[in-house]
Amino acid sequence: GAVVSQHPSRVICKSGTSVKIECRSLDFQATTMFWYRQFPKQSLMLMATSNEGSKATYEQGVEKDKFLINHASLTLSTLTVTSAHPEDSSFYICSARDRSSGRSNEQFFGPGTRLTVL
Amino acid sequence: LAKTTQPISMDSYEGQEVNITCSHNNIATNDYITWYQQFPSQGPRFIIQGYKTKVTNEVASLFIPADRKSSTLSLPRVSLSDTAVYYCLVDPMFSGGYNKLIFGAGTRLAVHP
Repeated sequence: GAVVSQHPSRVICKSGTSVKIECRSLDFQATTMFWYRQFPKQSLMLMATSNEGSKATYEQGVEKDKFLINHASLTLSTLTVTSAHPEDSSFYICSARDRSSGRSNEQFFGPGTRLTVL
Repeated sequence: LAKTTQPISMDSYEGQEVNITCSHNNIATNDYITWYQQFPSQGPRFIIQGYKTKVTNEVASLFIPADRKSSTLSLPRVSLSDTAVYYCLVDPMFSGGYNKLIFGAGTRLAVHP
């Protein structure tokens, strides 16, 4: 099946610094990727939809200047948490759909990135 | 996007069949029903998807009544490794890959020895 990777798997940073998380579709092209955030014992919350070659679409309540998304190619989307603070500590997960997949409604998820802001 | 309602948690024992029911009263004509499984500190994993009646794969079965206002995920003979959170989602038919998934609270299944 299609594989989505994320890098890094975990990151610890100091408050005020910026952190970049990469999401790659390894064996398929993804016009659209999605970014989720998940706090402990809670469900996934959709943050934004990342569109290749255009601006991301953010969900209500998500600050676009805080969470910068770049989708420069059909296999790579990046999420940058700018000026991170402890409340940004969370599990960040990306996903993508395979445009050519026969199971075209299946969304493939990355393994997630654990961000801890000190 | 249709809202889904599932039990918050369920308990079972190894070897038993587990049925998790999800209600989606406002499902639209072009919505699929999709179930995902998530282990701690991992991304969700696709389990099964259906539109109506019954779908079966190597891991689970999905039962959808005629009115499609609910669905039941059936896990045969669960093992300890099936302990996870299970999410039921409704998803519009493929529209070029742009349709987003909104997750509900999910069902936390605990399988005991």
